[in-house]
Formats: sequence, C-alpha cells, structure tokens
Amino acid sequence: DSGVTQTPKHLITATGQRVTLRCSPRSGDLSVYWYQQSLDQGLQFLIQYYNGEERAKGNILERFSAQQFPDLHSELNLSSLELGDSALYFCASSVRVMGEQFFGPGTRLTVL
Amino acid sequence: AQRVTQPEKLLSVFKGAPVELKCNYSYSGSPELFWYVQYSRQRLQLLLRHISRESIKGFTADLNKGETSFHLKKPFAQEEDSAMYYCALPGSGTASKLTFGTGTRLQVTL
Repeated sequence: DSGVTQTPKHLITATGQRVTLRCSPRSGDLSVYWYQQSLDQGLQFLIQYYNGEERAKGNILERFSAQQFPDLHSELNLSSLELGDSALYFCASSVRVMGEQFFGPGTRLTVL
Repeated sequence: AQRVTQPEKLLSVFKGAPVELKCNYSYSGSPELFWYVQYSRQRLQLLLRHISRESIKGFTADLNKGETSFHLKKPFAQEEDSAMYYCALPGSGTASKLTFGTGTRLQVTL
C-alpha cells in the first residue's frame, strides 16, 4: 500500500499515560498533517509539518507534541492523557505545503 | 475567522431520489472548497474540489459566492453513496490546514 499508513490502529490506555502515534506519508509527499476527530468537536486540525519543520499549528494542546523525522514519517505524542482525549487521530499528507491531502486510516485512541 | 457549516447531521433519502448536502462557509477572500467522503470503516477521501469543476461518482458542487454555499448534489442516489460527507475549507495564506464542517451522514435506503 503506497498510501498514508498509521500505526497502531487501536490504542487503549489509562488516564495520565503517554502514547505515541505514528504516521508514514505517501511516497514523495513532504507535508504531514495531524487531525483529531471526536464526537463533540468533529474533525479538528492539530499541526502540520513540511520537510521536517513545523508549518502550521491548530488547536493542539500543550500536552501534545509532534515531529517529522528525516525519512518524513511523523509521530504525534500525547501525554498526561485525559478521558476527553479519546478520539480518532488522522494523519494526512500532501506533496507540497498546500495541496490535496491524502488521509490515513486513523488511530483510534481510547483513554479509560 | 473561517468557518464551515453543515446544518444536517443526517440525510436519509430513497434510492433514485435526488440528493443535496448543504455546506455554507465564511471566509475572507476567494475560497477553494472541497468535499471529502468517508465510507464505513474507510479513510477520508477527496470527493471533489470546486476548482476542478468535475463530476465524481455523479456528484457535483457549485460554489455560490453570493450565498457563500458549496452544496453537494447528485440527481439519483445509489445505495453505495451511503457515507459521511464533509465539506472543507483550506487555510488562508500559507496555512494549508483544512477546516472541516461537522459532517452529514447520507443514508440511502431502498
């Protein structure tokens, strides 16, 4: 599959814990985006990286951080987890800074 | 601030009936709007963008700047059209984030 991949598919953890979500963009795509989809907030943009550098920031909590590595994969780190962080986290990628975004299958995070 | 509004959470139509999924936006400048679709247990996919003015899977959408709308239409609904549909607006300037509407679930029944 040459599309956007995300691991893990599902993650169940407890409040106060820390998790890392991983995203591999499509081959050739330099830009990676993270979105959070929850029942009450809908799809919310979190953060964007382009070729290793942070490009745009959305409604991302201070407890959350991300980075993009030299091989262009990205990780989203969520710490001091709260029940309200339970959501589907999507990664998307695009070739350029601005352009059509291709989405991954998402990681479903459940915080108990 | 830019905003996308999809007033209907659920739209239920019979197979063969016309479909119109509503989307209104607020944006300063000339927007580029998208419709994304999410079929059951699948990832979000771009359905169409207003710039290309093309029809995908029988769906079309026209940007109406006067009414600030970008409604998605299809003359005859098919069962396989059942999905979540999201209207989206990209950021302004160099911010390429997408601002999504809350989504409308289209349910096509026999």
